[in-house]
Amino acid sequence: SYELTQPPSVSVSPGQTARITCSGDALPKKYAYWYKQKSGQAPVLVIYEDSKRPSGIPERFSGSSSGTMATLTISGAQVEDEADYYCYSTDSSGKGVFGGGTKLTVL
Amino acid sequence: QVQLVESGGGVVQPGRSLRLSCAASGFTFSNYGMHWVRQAPGKGLDWVAVIWYDGSNEYYADYVKGRFTISRDNSKNTLYLQMNSLRAEDTAVYYCAREGDAGQLPGAFDIWGQGTMVTVSS
Repeated sequence: SYELTQPPSVSVSPGQTARITCSGDALPKKYAYWYKQKSGQAPVLVIYEDSKRPSGIPERFSGSSSGTMATLTISGAQVEDEADYYCYSTDSSGKGVFGGGTKLTVL
Repeated sequence: QVQLVESGGGVVQPGRSLRLSCAASGFTFSNYGMHWVRQAPGKGLDWVAVIWYDGSNEYYADYVKGRFTISRDNSKNTLYLQMNSLRAEDTAVYYCAREGDAGQLPGAFDIWGQGTMVTVSS
C-alpha cells in the first residue's frame, strides 16, 4: 500500500526556520496537504495543494513540492507552532493516506 | 456556524458492531465529499474512508475494507460509519471531516468534528 514518510521529530529554536519533509512516490502527480494538530484537539489545515495557505494561517507557514518530496516550512517558528504535523495525499485509486507525523519542538 | 458533530462511540467487544454518526450543520451537506479519519491513542492520523457528495462512490483503507461501510443521508445532513467485526486495533478516536470543494480549499479537510472515541475490548 502507498506510504508517505515523514521524520518523527524536528527541533528548532524560536525564530529559526523549521522544515518538515514528506516523501511519497505519487507526489509528482498528487497534491500534498499539511495539518497541524495540538494534543487533544482536532487537526487544522495549514497548507493545501502543495503550497496554498488557507485564510487565517500565518504567512510564516509555506509549502513546496518537488519530485517525490513535499516540504512544509515555518519561517521564524514560534512557541505556539509546537505541535504534530501531518502530510496527506492520495494514491492513484483515490484512497487517502497520511504520513506518520512529525513532532515539532520549538525551544 | 459550520459544524460537524460525531456520536455513537463507546466500548464494544471484539467481533461486535458499532455505528458512528456525524451530524453536519451550517452548510449544504449534499455539496461535499465526506471522510472518516481515525487516531489510535498516542498514534498518528489514519485515513479510513471517503464518500462522494452524492453517495455515488466510496473508497476504503485496506485495513477496514470489507468490515466498515461509509454512507450518508443527505436529507438528514448526516454521515455514517458502520463498523463490523471490530478488532482491538480499531480502538481510536474517529473524526469525520469535510472535503473542500473545487471552489474553496479543494481536496482539503477544511472542517473537522471533535471526534468520538471507540474502544474495542473484552
